[in-house]
Amino acid sequence: EAQVTQNPRYLITVTGKKLTVTCSQNMNHEYMSWYRQDPGLGLRQIYYSMNVEATDKGDVPEGYKVSRKEKRNFPLILESPSPNQTSLYFCASSLWASGGANSGANVLTFGAGSRLTVL
Amino acid sequence: DQQVKQNSPSLSVQEGRISILNCDYTNSMFDYFLWYKKYPAEGPTFLISISSIKDKNEDGRFTVFLNKSAKHLSLHIVPSQPGDSAVYFCAAGDNTDKLIFGTGTRLQVFP
Repeated sequence: EAQVTQNPRYLITVTGKKLTVTCSQNMNHEYMSWYRQDPGLGLRQIYYSMNVEATDKGDVPEGYKVSRKEKRNFPLILESPSPNQTSLYFCASSLWASGGANSGANVLTFGAGSRLTVL
Repeated sequence: DQQVKQNSPSLSVQEGRISILNCDYTNSMFDYFLWYKKYPAEGPTFLISISSIKDKNEDGRFTVFLNKSAKHLSLHIVPSQPGDSAVYFCAAGDNTDKLIFGTGTRLQVFP
């Protein structure tokens, strides 16, 4: 089954304790991205990657790191989590053909979400 | 600055009636728009899209209308069913690598 898998689904941690949320896709997609969903703010992009070793900042990258060493994996790293990073996080992937968003291939497939609470 | 806005946080519609979800945008460079549906404890799933060269796209019970001059798009669901109850996000993109999402509208379809 074609899917994006993220783990953990739920996590409660404390301020300053480094954590990693993993994301893996089995569709051979070039493009991967992380979003956070907060009440009243919708989905905001944290980081994205066009391909292996190619990552770039989204709209809210502060406090986060990512890496793309393999095509299928795109982990989100919180080096020193803070309470304002309490949120629902989604990983997504797509083929992302050239031409940007105006292409029929550029439909994102999302993971089921990871709810993170930082105390 | 919110480039994609969904001004109605929630909408309640009776089963069988039409649901109309609205979305406004400010960036005239957006030329591709999508709607995603999200159920609780699941990720958003793609519903329907429209390119700026069209003003309407239809897929079964779902139709998206685009009014470029007003920078407005809407999603029509006819007839609405209880299973349509979810949060709907509109998203917009241009020829760069980003999709900008709106804040979402929670649709509740009651019997």
